[in-house]
Amino acid sequence: GAGVSQSPSNKVTEKGKDVELRCDPISGHTALYWYRQSLGQGLEFLIYFQGNSAPDKSGLPSDRFSAERTGGSVSTLTIQRTQQEDSAVYLCASSLAPRGADTQYFGPGTRLTVL
Amino acid sequence: DAKTTQPNSMESNEEEPVHLPCNHSTISGTDYIHWYRQLPSQGPEYVIHGLTSNVNNRMASLAIAEDRKSSTLILHRATLRDAAVYYCILRDGYGGATNKLIFGTGTLLAVQP
Repeated sequence: GAGVSQSPSNKVTEKGKDVELRCDPISGHTALYWYRQSLGQGLEFLIYFQGNSAPDKSGLPSDRFSAERTGGSVSTLTIQRTQQEDSAVYLCASSLAPRGADTQYFGPGTRLTVL
Repeated sequence: DAKTTQPNSMESNEEEPVHLPCNHSTISGTDYIHWYRQLPSQGPEYVIHGLTSNVNNRMASLAIAEDRKSSTLILHRATLRDAAVYYCILRDGYGGATNKLIFGTGTLLAVQP
């Protein structure tokens, strides 16, 4: 079946512009996660959605970052007034059930470059 | 969250077994041990997970110490495609408020032909 998809695969933007990154999770997966990986850095958690519960936004680095998940499926991560330090690969993952034994399936990522 | 310690890098020869160690001395009784790997220019992919008993799947085996303070990911015959960063991650079995994966620096595995 189809895995997690993300679009665009690459995005180049100018400093100060807003960007939107999209994630299509695996159908039926109730949990959705956003992570990012900066050059030479590890993967860091950004935000987590589970069903109709309030999202866990504890990993968002600033108020310029926001995300929504419409209809329990597609998610959009928005970065306002982008800065050069926002350049990174943004990864989305989904899982069937949010328990300690579940498997997270990752998309290929969106590579964001802020000039 | 309990932390894990892994060697920064390891090398293996193609078609030989590889043992990737992970220390997690502060593991709690409800923590699952997960392994993910990240191939170059790709998102992470799940490899295997376990709680107390050793586990086998088509990709690898997971050997868990009796006291659960360490574990070893075993690739039985390394191939060039196994060259990746391998992450050992602990996850609370009760789930809690979130199930985010906390990635450390992982082990960069190089496979020589």
